[in-house]
This record gives sequence, structure tokens and C-alpha cells, in this order.
Amino acid sequence: DTEVTQTPKHLVMGMTNKKSLKCEQHMGHRAMYWYKQKAKKPPELMFVYSYEKLSINESVPSRFSPECPNSSLLNLHLHALQPEDSALYLCASSHLWGQRSDTEAFFGQGTRLTVV
Amino acid sequence: AQSVTQLDSHVSVSEGTPVLLRCNYSSSYSPSLFWYVQHPNKGLQLLLKYTSAATLVKGINGFEAEFKKSETSFHLTKPSAHMSDAAEYFCVVRPVGNDMRFGAGTRLTVKP
Repeated sequence: DTEVTQTPKHLVMGMTNKKSLKCEQHMGHRAMYWYKQKAKKPPELMFVYSYEKLSINESVPSRFSPECPNSSLLNLHLHALQPEDSALYLCASSHLWGQRSDTEAFFGQGTRLTVV
Repeated sequence: AQSVTQLDSHVSVSEGTPVLLRCNYSSSYSPSLFWYVQHPNKGLQLLLKYTSAATLVKGINGFEAEFKKSETSFHLTKPSAHMSDAAEYFCVVRPVGNDMRFGAGTRLTVKP
């Protein structure tokens, strides 16, 4: 199984709503990532988890709150978002650096988020 | 800082002609390098990867790339373009650590 599964595929939320994006993988990867991708732009790194601990936070606003409850799951909690936060949110996973020679990341299909 | 620079934002080729997508990297260490492809409204698919083994790397769908340390380059090539190759291509660097950074992307257009 080389899949990273993201739910939901599409999400429309108001600026006062609270919602969560979910990501799941069963490849035994201990590094998990959230990226944000605006239209016609490359994915931008938001957060990295290593061994279920937050290891990189790219100065993301606190209205985005990541959580890694176990080695297979990654969540992104959303609260009080702005319309400019509308984007494709991609989850990825990989083996940790130095663990294996296969260092590539596997990406989910993304959640297309629209904030109204 | 570790980074990648994709030298062309848009490349247009005719079907059946060669494809060259250029990528230069900046890294203090010998990084892992990848090429990913993204078709419209789709996720990211790995085309190929360099992880300090062979410098000429073969990937899926006839793509290959050559790692040249002296030129800090990792250009993607394909001998003959197909219409289905039209997509956005990203060069990605993973230096030492768990930090994967994308280039700005190159949009490949294939003309019939």
C-alpha cells in the first residue's frame, strides 16, 4: 500500500467555522508533512512531524493547528480562516532521513479548501 | 539555505521531439533530488529520484535525469514527448533532514 489518503477532497467553510483536514498512511513512514498550494504555484511547506513530534513549523499562522495523534494519522485543524487561505492542502509522508535510502515523499490527492 | 531553481517557467515542445526541463540546486551537502509531475487537479506523482547512487537516473514514462555535482544541476529529459506529458513539473530537494523544498515549477506544453 503506497497511498496517502486525505479527507475530505473538497471543503467549503465560513470564516467563523472550525474544521479539520485528515491524512492517513500505512507505509510505516515516521515523517509526515503538510503543504499549501495556491493556484499555479508550487507547494509550500507548512509543517513537518518526525516521530509524531512537530519538528518544523514554517511560521504558519496559529489559525492552522496541526496534530499527529499516532504514526499513521495527521490532522490539520482550521479555525477563523481568511479567504486568502483558500488553497489545495497536500499531505505527504516519507521515511525519516537516514532511516532508508528511499527518501521520496508520497503525496495525497489533497483537500481543496474554499473559505467564504 | 537549501533550494532549487527551475530555470524555465514554461516549456513548449512538439509531440515526438525531445524534452529538457532544467533544475539547479543549492545545498551544503549532497542532497536527495526528485522530479514530481502534477497533472491538472491531480496530486503529485514521483517521476524519479537521485539518492547518491547512479548519477543517471531513469524514471517512469521514459523520463530520465542526470545529477551533475560540478554544475549543481539535475535536469529532466525525455527523448520523445507525448501529448499526455503536458503537466506541471517540480524539481524537489531534500537536503540532510526531513525538509523537502519545491522549485517554482515548469509548465510543459506539448503541441500536436
